[in-house]
Amino acid sequence: SQQGEEDPQALSIQEGENATMNCSYKTSINNLQWYRQNSGRGLVHLILIRSNEREKHSGRLRVTLDTSKKSSSLLITASRAADTASYFCATVFTGGFKTIFGAGTRLFVKA
Amino acid sequence: SAVISQKPSRDICQRGTSLTIQCQVDSQVTMMFWYRQQPGQSLTLIATANQGSEATYESGFVIDKFPISRPNLTFSTLTVSNMSPEDSSIYLCSVAPGVSYGQNYGYTFGSGTRLTVV
Repeated sequence: SQQGEEDPQALSIQEGENATMNCSYKTSINNLQWYRQNSGRGLVHLILIRSNEREKHSGRLRVTLDTSKKSSSLLITASRAADTASYFCATVFTGGFKTIFGAGTRLFVKA
Repeated sequence: SAVISQKPSRDICQRGTSLTIQCQVDSQVTMMFWYRQQPGQSLTLIATANQGSEATYESGFVIDKFPISRPNLTFSTLTVSNMSPEDSSIYLCSVAPGVSYGQNYGYTFGSGTRLTVV
């Protein structure tokens, strides 16, 4: 399968702690995107990192990309109960727009 | 970014019937994408809908089961036909700016339709 794989599948932390989610993929990519999904609703685009970038920040989010290892990580710092959601990585293949979504990490932040 | 209105938000349907899901975008877009998300799973692309042409279906999805209409640049429908319990999923429409130029800078999704077939 060309689908990205994410780990952990589920993560439970206390409010204020950091949450780290990882994504691995198998083919060359143009960019990698992270999304959040609350309670089975529509996905919300969080951040995009291009294949020539190694790290990107957006507010409390930090994304890294290691193309040699074909992996990415999403770090949420100082987590809040409102961060409770499923997080998906999506890889966009080189040369096009075809996108493969990972299996997702379910994050639960306890207040 | 674009705003998508998706209807219905949820429905419970009898097996053998059909359901049509609508997506309205607040701006003109070349391509619209329809995804299925089975319970606890990731998203799987059903088809890509271009205005004025037949939708392009992914492997495992056929037009007779999932007919799509794209009458203009702001609207699309997906019909789930002759439903069975295995069709119980969340169905999502999405658009991606820049796709018409061969680049994907990120999807905007509708709020999803949660379908339960009994």
